[in-house]
Amino acid sequence: GEDVEQSLFLSVREGDSSVINCTYTDSSSTYLYWYKQEPGAGLQLLTYIFSNMDMKQDQRLTVLLNKKDKHLSLRIADTQTGDSAIYFCAESNNAGNMLTFGGGTRLMVKP
Amino acid sequence: DAGVTQSPTHLIKTRGQQVTLRCSPISGHKSVSWYQQVLGQGPQFIFQYYEKEERGRGNFPDRFSARQFPNYSSELNVNALLLGDSALYLCASSLERGTDEQFFGPGTRLTVL
Repeated sequence: GEDVEQSLFLSVREGDSSVINCTYTDSSSTYLYWYKQEPGAGLQLLTYIFSNMDMKQDQRLTVLLNKKDKHLSLRIADTQTGDSAIYFCAESNNAGNMLTFGGGTRLMVKP
Repeated sequence: DAGVTQSPTHLIKTRGQQVTLRCSPISGHKSVSWYQQVLGQGPQFIFQYYEKEERGRGNFPDRFSARQFPNYSSELNVNALLLGDSALYLCASSLERGTDEQFFGPGTRLTVL
């Protein structure tokens, strides 16, 4: 079955770059996503990448996809204290009707 | 524009009771999905409804059921509540059946005592 894995925790200093990594198992995934969750809140869609792309950039966010290794990463440039949150990667199934999420990476940004 | 709305915000129930959670999708969105997020974990897919029909179901027992109304809003019902059902229940809407962009509501926090 599908399984999405992420490291639990990442700590960076304000102004540095953050890189959050994710591995997935379903090679038929159509889209891969990054969501942000702040305490007590729902999920905010940050960005997504189609499976036939290897990179997508959106302002401070850069997504890299390595399909061969089934590895996805999210790079946040010039990380700010407001970026402190839990970040989830997710893959869609082949039918496109279900997202499978990783366990989340807690990003802590120190001033 | 209003995003996805869910009600109630918080709910406390006791074991064995039944609960109904509600979701209104973004205007114009026809698909609603439900996810369960246990504390400290990622969300787990429960159901997807599109055009009032169930289009996908996750690995949840029959105690969990849902429906979608003609206005595309949705209800999630859970019967015979267990302590392990305590979680944040998230609703997500998307324009069509696919998951190119799913927008999540703030969730309903259910506590089962």
